[in-house]
Amino acid sequence: DGGITQSPKYLFRKEGQNVTLSCEQNLNHDAMYWYRQDPGQGLRLIYYSQIVNDFQKGDIAEGYSVSREKKESFPLTVTSAQKNPTAFYLCASSIAGAPEQYFGPGTRLTVT
Amino acid sequence: AQSVSQHNHHVILSEAASLELGCNYSYGGTVNLFWYVQYPGQHLQLLLKYFSGDPLVKGIKGFEAEFIKSKFSFNLRKPSVQWSDTAEYFCASKMQGGKLIFGQGTELSVKP
Repeated sequence: DGGITQSPKYLFRKEGQNVTLSCEQNLNHDAMYWYRQDPGQGLRLIYYSQIVNDFQKGDIAEGYSVSREKKESFPLTVTSAQKNPTAFYLCASSIAGAPEQYFGPGTRLTVT
Repeated sequence: AQSVSQHNHHVILSEAASLELGCNYSYGGTVNLFWYVQYPGQHLQLLLKYFSGDPLVKGIKGFEAEFIKSKFSFNLRKPSVQWSDTAEYFCASKMQGGKLIFGQGTELSVKP
């Protein structure tokens, strides 16, 4: 069953703690993306990676970090430097150069 | 900077009413435009896309969109909505490098 999986669905953390969100895809896509969704603001790009061991900052990368050690995995770490981490986080992937992206189910992170 | 704008933040319709959601984009190059839908509790999924050719594109579930180059618009339409169309709708445009830029989203509520 091909697709993108994100775990966990809900995540709760205390302020000041780093937290890592998982994203795995078995679509053999080269490119992967992380977005943040907030009410009334649509989706905003955090980081993206076109190829293994390479990634670029998106529009709101501050307070986040990523790694791309394997083609199928693109974990996102929300660090304590992120001022407003509570949000819905979406991972996506695409074939290299193709405009269409496929999305995972998302992780809702709540930081108190 | 490239942007995508959705004019309606929340639309409330009765079943069988016609739907039109506005989307304007700002980008002077090749356009790749998308409408995505997010049903409650489900993945973000692609409704339809425009790359080139016939400016009237048809998508899933009876949705269609018209690309009007002179107006920089890509409005989503459906002649008769159903309660099951209740969802959040996002317009998106592809930027150079494969990144997508999203509009703010429109929440559609259909009353039975």
